[in-house]
Parts: sequence; C-alpha cells; structure tokens
Amino acid sequence: GESVGLHLPTLSVQEGDNSIINCAYSNSASDYFIWYKQESGKGPQFIIDIRSNMDKRQGQRVTVLLNKTVKHLSLQIAATQPGDSAVYFCAENIRGGSYIPTFGRGTSLIVHP
Amino acid sequence: ETGVTQTPRHLVMGMTNKKSLKCEQHLGHNAMYWYKQSAKKPLELMFVYSLEERVENNSVPSRFSPECPNSSHLFLHLHTLQPEDSALYLCASRKAGPNTGELFFGEGSRLTVL
Repeated sequence: GESVGLHLPTLSVQEGDNSIINCAYSNSASDYFIWYKQESGKGPQFIIDIRSNMDKRQGQRVTVLLNKTVKHLSLQIAATQPGDSAVYFCAENIRGGSYIPTFGRGTSLIVHP
Repeated sequence: ETGVTQTPRHLVMGMTNKKSLKCEQHLGHNAMYWYKQSAKKPLELMFVYSLEERVENNSVPSRFSPECPNSSHLFLHLHTLQPEDSALYLCASRKAGPNTGELFFGEGSRLTVL
C-alpha cells in the first residue's frame, strides 16, 4: 500500500551540529510535500514545503531535499539549537484529489546543549 | 498563536457521557479538518470540511460526529466513547485553493475516556 514513513524514530544531536531527518514515500502521484514541527503540548507547525517540480528548497536554517527517483525527502537543520527539539513530521499530498495530506509517523529530535 | 483555537484543552469523560470539542479559526480559511493523534501513530484524518464539501475517513466510528456550521467553526461531538478513543484531537484549517498548502493546527484537545 501507499505510505509515508520516517527512517528513524529518534535523533539525538549536539547543539550546533547539523541535523538531517529523513522521510520515505511510496506514492508516485504525490506532488506536494510539507515538513511540520510539533513541540511538546502544541499542534504541528509548518516549517517548509516543496513541490515535485523542485529538488531543493531553502528556508531560514532549514533545507528540504526531494529525490523523486528513490521517493525520498529530507529535512536539514543547520546549527541545531535546543529550541529545535521537537517531533518532525513529513506530509505528502496527492494531486488530483481533495487536499488531504498523509502524515508520516514522526521523528523525535533531541538537541543536547 | 496559530489563529486556530481549540476548547477544551483537556477533557475527561466516562463512556456514557456526551461531550463536544470545539474549534474556531480567525484566519479567513475555508477548509477545516479533524485529526486524531495517538501515541506512536501517524496523524489520522477523521473529517474534512472544504468549500461546503465534507470528506470523512470511513474507518472513523459513528460515535464521532462532526459539525461545521460555518467556515470559522468546527465541532466534534462525542458519544459513548471507548477507552481506546483517548488521544489528542487536533483541529486544522487551510485556505482551500490550488496554490495554498500548509495546514494551520490548533494546540489540540487532550481526551481521556475512562
């Protein structure tokens, strides 16, 4: 079946390091991808998105890479800070239908000072 | 502050109770969603209201009943729930359209069914 999943449930890094969170998807019809961050006690918040006609998009300290050949998505966080500690979700949306994104399980990022 | 407000933030109810969760958005969006978030599981879509169209996940039990009286308000009515329904219920909104993307989530209503 179609799925969105994350390779690692937990990622621990030191403050100042770069973090890479990965996501695999299996539906080739997906054309829009979003990364969300969910801090403890809060709802998910948008970080960055990318459409399938792009392979890289940069934001402030974050970069999303899309590899359509292997159906892989990654979120890179530069100079990770303690405030980046959260659960990160990728979501995919499939063109041609109602906008109902499918979410992955989430990766917990722990940043050690 | 995301512009999406959910109440109550915490709810404890017995299996025979009837309660409702409320969501309100002040963003001018025209699509609203209910998601269920359980431990160690992906976010599970329950219902979507978009441009007067309703989409529902067929696996959601009938003891959950949504109501969307206008584009700014969304309710989830709860009746004779089971302990396995204990979870965080997240409301989200979006401006429906071809070039819009992200969902704006509320902080959730933490439901405990005894």
